Amino acid sequence: KAGVTQTPRYLIKTRGQQVTLSCSPISGHRSVSWYQQTPGQGLQFLFEYFSETQRNKGNFPGRFSGRQFSNSRSEMNVSTLELGDSALYLCASSLKETGELFFGEGSRLTVL
Amino acid sequence: AQRVTQPEKLLSVFKGAPVELKCNYSYSGSPELFWYVQYSRQRLQLLLRHISRESIKGFTADLNKGETSFHLKKPFAQEEDSAMYYCALFNAGNMLTFGGGTRLMVKP
Repeated sequence: KAGVTQTPRYLIKTRGQQVTLSCSPISGHRSVSWYQQTPGQGLQFLFEYFSETQRNKGNFPGRFSGRQFSNSRSEMNVSTLELGDSALYLCASSLKETGELFFGEGSRLTVL
Repeated sequence: AQRVTQPEKLLSVFKGAPVELKCNYSYSGSPELFWYVQYSRQRLQLLLRHISRESIKGFTADLNKGETSFHLKKPFAQEEDSAMYYCALFNAGNMLTFGGGTRLMVKP
């Protein structure tokens, strides 16, 4: 099976812009979650989707949003980018609600 | 609020030496804990979970509810064990709360 695929892998944006990141889960996995990884804050949970419904949301401002499509693919959007949004954004998929997550390689966002 | 603490950012040992990566947690319910590992230029991946009580790549971890700890241990470290290790606490909705991570360096 193909692993979790994230696109784009790298991107550079300027403050005030918005960005959309995409994630294709492992075939058959209906749960997709997103994490932000930074040197200062480590790995932080953003949100989780299951069957197109957001089940859980981390402590991030409303500028961070996401959605899941009927084929389980997911996107996350960050609007009005700030310098502090520079991070590696990781997507993970899961077959069940067990905590066993399969991670993608991440999308590295740099905000200038 | 739930929290996971890994007190050591870096742990350096020689090949063949025992390894213990520390993890402490705070959680009001019954915890489910995991260790994830990220080898150089690889994805973050599950190493082991406390429920399964299995040994993976020679690593074991025991949940100690009294001390609220879930330390990762290996009796004899190998160079290929060098990686970033994250302890994580599971919550509903596949939400994981990660510790800050410990970089393990195994020297030849």
